[in-house]
Amino acid sequence: GAVVSQHPSWVICKSGTSVKIECRSLDFQATTMFWYRQFPKQSLMLMATSNEGSKATYEQGVEKDKFLINHASLTLSTLTVTSAHPEDSSFYICSAPASGGGEAFFGQGTRLTVV
Amino acid sequence: AQSVSQHNHHVILSEAASLELGCNYSYGGTVNLFWYVQYPGQHLQLLLKYFSGDPLVKGIKGFEAEFIKSKFSFNLRKPSVQWSDTAEYFCAVKHNQGGKLIFGQGTELSVKP
Repeated sequence: GAVVSQHPSWVICKSGTSVKIECRSLDFQATTMFWYRQFPKQSLMLMATSNEGSKATYEQGVEKDKFLINHASLTLSTLTVTSAHPEDSSFYICSAPASGGGEAFFGQGTRLTVV
Repeated sequence: AQSVSQHNHHVILSEAASLELGCNYSYGGTVNLFWYVQYPGQHLQLLLKYFSGDPLVKGIKGFEAEFIKSKFSFNLRKPSVQWSDTAEYFCAVKHNQGGKLIFGQGTELSVKP
């Protein structure tokens, strides 16, 4: 089946620094990708929809200046957490829908810890 | 606003017991429905999905789900669970006019050997 790869799997950064997370569709093209955030023991909360060649669409309450999304090509979307703070520590997951808009394929997630 | 509700936060069962996890959604239009499983330390995997047709959907690993339109429900079932089914289960809904998935809160299933 289709594979979505996320990198890095985990990252620890200092407060105030920025962290970039990559999401790649390995064997298919994705004009749209989704970024989720998952707190421990909680569900996935959609943060934004990444659109190839245009601006991302952010969900209500998500700071677009803090969570920068770039969909540079049909196989790569990046999420940059700018000026990270401890409250940004979380599990970030990307997904890409299969062609035809059916099921979504998920990356393995990135555990971000801000110290 | 569209929402998905999973009734059980944590379910504990013994092996061979039957499982039913509830999922209700609030959206009046045409929807696509999914159940995903997240094993400890792993990424989300699709268990089964419903787009149209037979409302009783069979998925992988012996799981099935029934779409009841009148109740806005899509409950997940398995006749006999195994220890290896221990995981977090997420119900998700996508309406036809958009691509984003809305997830329920998740249900943690613990199966005792």
